[in-house]
Amino acid sequence: NAGVTQTPKFRILKIGQSMTLQCAQDMNHNYMYWYRQDPGMGLKLIYYSVGAGITDKGEVPNGYNVSRSTTEDFPLRLELAAPSQTSVYVCASSYPRGGATGEQYFGPGTRLTVT
Amino acid sequence: LAKTTQPISMDSYEGQEVNITCSHNNIATNDYITWYQQFPSQGPRFIIQGYKTKVTNEVASLFIPADRKSSTLSLPRVSLSDTAVYYCLVGDLDSSYKLIFGSGTRLLVRP
Repeated sequence: NAGVTQTPKFRILKIGQSMTLQCAQDMNHNYMYWYRQDPGMGLKLIYYSVGAGITDKGEVPNGYNVSRSTTEDFPLRLELAAPSQTSVYVCASSYPRGGATGEQYFGPGTRLTVT
Repeated sequence: LAKTTQPISMDSYEGQEVNITCSHNNIATNDYITWYQQFPSQGPRFIIQGYKTKVTNEVASLFIPADRKSSTLSLPRVSLSDTAVYYCLVGDLDSSYKLIFGSGTRLLVRP
């Protein structure tokens, strides 16, 4: 299994541009998450999904959108990029309630710079 | 959700046992305690999880006192490769998506 994969690894955006960060998992996990991690800080939850077609906001959703059309994929869309969105974006997935331990499996992250 | 407090950083030497304590005074009855490890430029990795008393796996032990208001991650005989940030999280399994990552504890293992 590849686990959780993310593309691209790095990206530089100009202010006002848009882009989509890709996340995919091959573990048949129902739950998927998007976090952002600023330098020296912990992760903050942006959006999460408990299954295909179901998404909800996390702690810091403003400026982002998500969709979940399949169990495997959970793309994150940045509209009108701003310097405050410079961060590392990390995707994760986990089993649903009643599954294992709620342990989350994380991808390697996408480093985004907005200038 | 219970807030957690951990030391910002710790130093150790190779071969020593390292204990990182996390306090979570507002832990709820259904909450589990989970520890993650994160290396630079990587996503966090699950280390261990427990509810009460002691849990041990192949890489660490987790000690939880009876009142569950704190927990201690124990890493036996650390090596240089254990240099990382360690996060303590508290939450119930039904709300795993609501887990809050604090700033974590930066562990530096010296030769």
